[in-house]
Amino acid sequence: DTAVSQTPKYLVTQMGNDKSIKCEQNLGHDTMYWYKQDSKKFLKIMFSYNNKELIINETVPNRFSPKSPDKAHLNLHINSLELGDSAVYFCASSGGPHNEQFFGPGTRLTVL
Amino acid sequence: DQQVKQNSPSLSVQEGRISILNCDYTNSMFDYFLWYKKYPAEGPTFLISISSIKDKNEDGRFTVFLNKSAKHLSLHIVPSQPGDSAVYFCAASAVDAGTALIFGKGTTLSVSS
Repeated sequence: DTAVSQTPKYLVTQMGNDKSIKCEQNLGHDTMYWYKQDSKKFLKIMFSYNNKELIINETVPNRFSPKSPDKAHLNLHINSLELGDSAVYFCASSGGPHNEQFFGPGTRLTVL
Repeated sequence: DQQVKQNSPSLSVQEGRISILNCDYTNSMFDYFLWYKKYPAEGPTFLISISSIKDKNEDGRFTVFLNKSAKHLSLHIVPSQPGDSAVYFCAASAVDAGTALIFGKGTTLSVSS
């Protein structure tokens, strides 16, 4: 009974392709996030959704589009993949009093 | 412009001794500070947090200290165990729902037996 799950764990694809990463949480949280960990290991926010509404949309290319069909799911669609999109993408959800966020295992995306 | 900084990329400690991981921040508007632990190929795992109105929070072997005037916090692990070897991230947050965590770059802790 994983709290925050992501699929797939590894994704290898060619430049120009379109791909999706799925995220689900069973913690009953209202808020979900996508973070990107780049080659320098920085974890940076991309998007956050609260009750299916977009709250944060950082300076991310519009090739990236999050979709939240319900509170428990936040999927990430990426169009026209580029080499620079290679990174580890983490989904998270939050519900604690100190904005404690609980992370999924990550999806390592490699664009060739 | 890093708002949360972890200036030590690595720390090596012997089993049983104290590990002290440090973190500095620049934004005085942060409400909460959190520490995460991360093993390779896994997501960050929440460890402990502290509100900006407190100066100490303890949970078992883990204690976080906050010095607001110095904009500095530290995580103490006592006693350190080999299983504590991981990357530790400091993070800061504001109180609003949906607010992102601002992470430091991480410190790799190695605990030798």
